[in-house]
Amino acid sequence: QQQVKQSPQSLIVQKGGISIINCAYENTAFDYFPWYQQFPGKGPALLIAIRPDVSEKKEGRFTISFNKSAKQFSLHIMDSQPGDSATYFCAARAGGATNKLIFGTGTLLAVQP
Amino acid sequence: NAGVTQTPKFQVLKTGQSMTLQCAQDMNHEYMSWYRQDPGMGLRLIHYSVGAGITDQGEVPNGYNVSRSTTEDFPLRLLSAAPSQTSVYFCASSYEGQSFSYEQYFGPGTRLTVT
Repeated sequence: QQQVKQSPQSLIVQKGGISIINCAYENTAFDYFPWYQQFPGKGPALLIAIRPDVSEKKEGRFTISFNKSAKQFSLHIMDSQPGDSATYFCAARAGGATNKLIFGTGTLLAVQP
Repeated sequence: NAGVTQTPKFQVLKTGQSMTLQCAQDMNHEYMSWYRQDPGMGLRLIHYSVGAGITDQGEVPNGYNVSRSTTEDFPLRLLSAAPSQTSVYFCASSYEGQSFSYEQYFGPGTRLTVT
């Protein structure tokens, strides 16, 4: 119930291509769905986030698509660049008063020049 | 603003030793948390705190203790280190329960090896 399942574990995309990472959850009490980006040797940093009353959110080349009925959400990176090579984590806020986040297992993205 | 700081950056312990990982934030955030990151397992929540004097267990709390005596500091104590605690540890902070911002800010991490 508290899990967030993320796929794929790793992804190789050519420069200019579209990167797609998927996540699924079970707990309908989750109320906020962020994506974090992590470069080697650094802590994760918030990339983009969505609330469940919205089906899509776009910030530059990054888009979250959210399907509430299917309990799935995905990150799309358009025109992928070598600088996007990083590990991406989806997460879900547990809901209620606390800001506790449940993270997916991560996707290692490599964008080849 | 320094954000979230963690010390040390690297640490090697022998089995059975104890140590404290330090975490501090200067953003006046109520919520602070500790995660461990292991290959293929993502970020797993160890302990979290919603304010000074209040702590609770996360997903993998065994072998770790925390306390929160001030808003700024949230140290993580390893009571008797085991090789299974070899990991990268991240501290994070955020406002608590504020709908305008749920963003969690992460520190740079502590890489711990237990031999």
